[in-house]
Amino acid sequence: DAGVIQSPRHEVTEMGQEVTLRCKPISGHNSLFWYRQTMMRGLELLIYFNNNVPIDDSGMPEDRFSAKMPNASFSTLKIQPSEPRDSAVYFCASSLSEGSELFFGSGTQLSVL
Amino acid sequence: GESVGLHLPTLSVQEGDNSIINCAYSNSASDYFIWYKQESGKGPQFIIDIRSNMDKRQGQRVTVLLNKTVKHLSLQIAATQPGDSAVYFCAESLTSGTYKYIFGTGTRLKVLA
Repeated sequence: DAGVIQSPRHEVTEMGQEVTLRCKPISGHNSLFWYRQTMMRGLELLIYFNNNVPIDDSGMPEDRFSAKMPNASFSTLKIQPSEPRDSAVYFCASSLSEGSELFFGSGTQLSVL
Repeated sequence: GESVGLHLPTLSVQEGDNSIINCAYSNSASDYFIWYKQESGKGPQFIIDIRSNMDKRQGQRVTVLLNKTVKHLSLQIAATQPGDSAVYFCAESLTSGTYKYIFGTGTRLKVLA
């Protein structure tokens, strides 16, 4: 298995632009997570899906952030409009089931200018 | 993942020596703990876990020690190798079956040749 696949690896955009991050979880995993990593806050859970259904989105910073999981093999995290304080590394992770080992993707390094 | 690294505490160890990385966790009710390794440009990778009913667990070249009295976790790496160079951080959760983890900010391990 190729592991969790995220795209793009790097994204540089201007303030106000829409940003879409993509994730393909490991096949057969039914739990998917979006995390944000910054120097100040470390790894923070943004949203958790189980069987394609959002279970906990309490970590989503504000309405500018949205996430979807239209099927078991694809998820997106969208920021619209983006702001400089959104600059961070965004990780997608999947697990076989809730509470089992997390497998992280390589992340998307987002820079909002 | 370089955005996480610039101001982390750093541990420098000679190749072949043992490394000890420490973590103070926040919640006395936490029941389950995990150590992750994050190499440059990659997502976190599971190393070893421990439940609160244990005070020590060993893996291949790694040992995790848990001191619940002082809420302290440590990761010991035996015979440290250049490939061990990475950021290491701990995560805690209230139970091993939950998706909610609190991640520490990490320690950078540098292995000196």
